[in-house]
Amino acid sequence: DADVTQTPRNRITKTGKRIMLECSQTKGHDRMYWYRQDPGLGLQLIYYSFDVKDINKGEISDGYSVSRQAQAKFSLSLESAIPNQTALYFCATSDTGEGYTFGSGTRLTVV
Amino acid sequence: AQRVTQPEKLLSVFKGAPVELKCNYSYSGSPELFWYVQYSRQRLQLLLRHISRESIKGFTADLNKGETSFHLKKPFAQEEDSAMYYCALLPGNTGKLIFGQGTTLQVKP
Repeated sequence: DADVTQTPRNRITKTGKRIMLECSQTKGHDRMYWYRQDPGLGLQLIYYSFDVKDINKGEISDGYSVSRQAQAKFSLSLESAIPNQTALYFCATSDTGEGYTFGSGTRLTVV
Repeated sequence: AQRVTQPEKLLSVFKGAPVELKCNYSYSGSPELFWYVQYSRQRLQLLLRHISRESIKGFTADLNKGETSFHLKKPFAQEEDSAMYYCALLPGNTGKLIFGQGTTLQVKP
């Protein structure tokens, strides 16, 4: 079983719809992150959480929100999806001072 | 400003040729640096980190603080090395990795 699981793997949604991307982990890490990947731009941090009661905005949080339901779960929501949010979204976890473990990604297309 | 720069979007070499993927960073403190690899349509995987000084799949990377670089090297490229490579910086106690733009390595037969 994967350490970091993202659902769904692929999603096509219409402009203006609300969508939630889910991430769960079995690593026991306190720290979780959401990134989006765009060609030529690398990975950009959307939101991060260092524990259940801690939520922080990243570089590109506008248009997104998150929920840390438990240590193991960190969800990303697009309240009203727009086409330029079409991207590959990655969840990651880490322990203090360590590198990240990534999920397999969610490919989101907004039409 | 904390920043990671990978100047090459695409690096194309022939099988058996040496490979060097460039990474430069901007950070005033003592850096922790990583290389991640992403094979086609797969998740990012940690390739190596400078602290461990390991050699993974024949790749090595040396931190050069004078040149603020952490270039990834392999003496003889293999076709299976074709992937996207990201250099990343972990500044201080922020816990937030800063990624470069990524370099696609294409190894031709």
